[in-house]
Amino acid sequence: IAGITQAPTSQILAAGRRMTLRCTQDMRHNAMYWYRQDLGLGLRLIHYSNTAGTTGKGEVPDGYSVSRANTDDFPLTLASAVPSQTSVYFCASSEVGGRTDTQYFGPGTRLTVL
Amino acid sequence: GQNIDQPTEMTATEGAIVQINCTYQTSGFNGLFWYQQHAGEAPTFLSYNVLDGLEEKGRFSSFLSRSKGYSYLLLKELQMKDSASYLCAAWDSNYQLIWGAGTKLIIKP
Repeated sequence: IAGITQAPTSQILAAGRRMTLRCTQDMRHNAMYWYRQDLGLGLRLIHYSNTAGTTGKGEVPDGYSVSRANTDDFPLTLASAVPSQTSVYFCASSEVGGRTDTQYFGPGTRLTVL
Repeated sequence: GQNIDQPTEMTATEGAIVQINCTYQTSGFNGLFWYQQHAGEAPTFLSYNVLDGLEEKGRFSSFLSRSKGYSYLLLKELQMKDSASYLCAAWDSNYQLIWGAGTKLIIKP
């Protein structure tokens, strides 16, 4: 089934630990995005990539890094997790970045940092 | 600053009609999305408006007024499965989506 997969589904992490959230899409979309969703707030963009090999910073990039080695994968890394990074993380993709294309979302990763 | 406002929660009755409003302030405007998000699930695309007017798609319709910075989502013949959060999002001039916090819609029998 075409779409976006994310792993893990959920994770409890000790503060200070390093964690990589995985995202893979099989729609051959050029653009990919990482958002976090917190109660009472709208989705906030962390990082994005308009095409393989390029990445950009969103609204809340601090404490996070991304890479885009190929079209399908867009991992998000927390170098040293802090409790404020407790959130639900969604990966999304669209056919083309930098335009008004519809974004399609993965199922999310629920991360708790203690 | 950039901002999207929508009501936090609404309640409606099965079979009725409900209108969910969204007002936006963005640096530039390149269109507005509505997404549906069931609890614990991913947002899914409902509609996209870039021109003024009403777009109808089955039981769901979306309206945009660019001069007023205003949109609404109209849901007709409400079903229990429509209980979800509805997210409004607008493109800014940098082609980044600015999201509202969502409206939680509760459907009662």
